Amino acid sequence: NAGVTQTPKFQVLKTGQSMTLQCAQDMNHEYMSWYRQDPGMGLRLIHYSVGAGITDQGEVPNGYNVSRSTTEDFPLRLLSAAPSQTSVYFCASSYSSYWGYTFGSGTRLTVV
Amino acid sequence: DQQVKQNSPSLSVQEGRISILNCDYTNSMFDYFLWYKKYPAEGPTFLISISSIKDKNEDGRFTVFLNKSAKHLSLHIVPSQPGDSAVYFCAASIQGGSEKLVFGKGTKLTVNP
Repeated sequence: NAGVTQTPKFQVLKTGQSMTLQCAQDMNHEYMSWYRQDPGMGLRLIHYSVGAGITDQGEVPNGYNVSRSTTEDFPLRLLSAAPSQTSVYFCASSYSSYWGYTFGSGTRLTVV
Repeated sequence: DQQVKQNSPSLSVQEGRISILNCDYTNSMFDYFLWYKKYPAEGPTFLISISSIKDKNEDGRFTVFLNKSAKHLSLHIVPSQPGDSAVYFCAASIQGGSEKLVFGKGTKLTVNP
């Protein structure tokens, strides 16, 4: 099993550009989430999903969009990149709300 | 307003000794707590969790203790090994809904040979 796969691993964007961070899991997990990690900060929840077609906002949703059309995929879209979105982004999935999440290896995004 | 606090940014222990990582929380609605370990350039890895109906949970060398009255939990690693050197994150959620985890800032553990 590949687990949680994130692409790309690294990305540099110019301010104002848009892009999609990809996340796919092959464990048939219903729960998926996106987090960002900034220096000296813990992981902060951006958006999450409890199943295909169901998404909700986390702590820091502004500037990001998500959709969940399949159980396997949960892409994160940056609508108009800003330097404040420079961060490491982690996607995670879980079997249930009472289970620990499996995280991907992260996407390091730099916005210049 | 930080709801989950890990007040020690770093901790250094000798191999074979006990490592104790601490975590405090302010939201009394939290009822499910998790610890994650993170190596550089990797995603966090789930270690151990505890529900608020328990005060202790054990998994091999890792034990988590929960003191609800003090809103405090701790992770004990015995014995500590050099491979345990990593950043440890404490996380909490409400009503077992770990789809909305709130993380602390992490504690960097260094285990010296």
